[in-house]
Amino acid sequence: DAKTTQPNSMESNEEEPVHLPCNHSTISGTDYIHWYRQLPSQGPEYVIHGLTSNVNNRMASLAIAEDRKSSTLILHRATLRDAAVYYCILPGSGYALNFGKGTSLLVTP
Amino acid sequence: EAQVTQNPRYLITVTGKKLTVTCSQNMNHEYMSWYRQDPGLGLRQIYYSMNVEVTDKGDVPEGYKVSRKEKRNFPLILESPSPNQTSLYFCASRVGRDTEAFFGQGTRLTVV
Repeated sequence: DAKTTQPNSMESNEEEPVHLPCNHSTISGTDYIHWYRQLPSQGPEYVIHGLTSNVNNRMASLAIAEDRKSSTLILHRATLRDAAVYYCILPGSGYALNFGKGTSLLVTP
Repeated sequence: EAQVTQNPRYLITVTGKKLTVTCSQNMNHEYMSWYRQDPGLGLRQIYYSMNVEVTDKGDVPEGYKVSRKEKRNFPLILESPSPNQTSLYFCASRVGRDTEAFFGQGTRLTVV
């Protein structure tokens, strides 16, 4: 299964944009890039996913590099409620979502 | 409201006493799966099901069983729980491989 690499932690100020990077150099041509987040004491929550072009939804934007070897999740205005562990995921065998360790985002007022 | 419901949310049991954790989804999803989450190891897939009566092992299936007799339900069965199955368990459902997955709120299981 293709792997992803993310920083262990990042910090942001409230109401500022946050760019969460992810490297996935072994991605295959048909793999979608998925992002989930997990707030404390909750189940994982879908954020966004994409294949080649940039994607936007109400929660975030996903910028995918032209060679697809990296991507960036963009939270346009971080709030305290966005403090969570963010996972960049490529699908694995058996439709598995391989979560890895993710990036722990700290948002400070 | 679209949701995945797990029960119970918390369970303490003794070694060897059979238990079932239920999972139900109301979105008519074909694909369902079970994960366990342990500190330092992240979430790992236990079993998955691609449709009724179709199940397969994930990465850590030892000590677990599942069944999929109806589309909406996907129970996780521990025939003889052991302390190393103490963990946080999540059920998930989705339409297909590259679609949004919905997760339950989790079941925290302690086996003593």
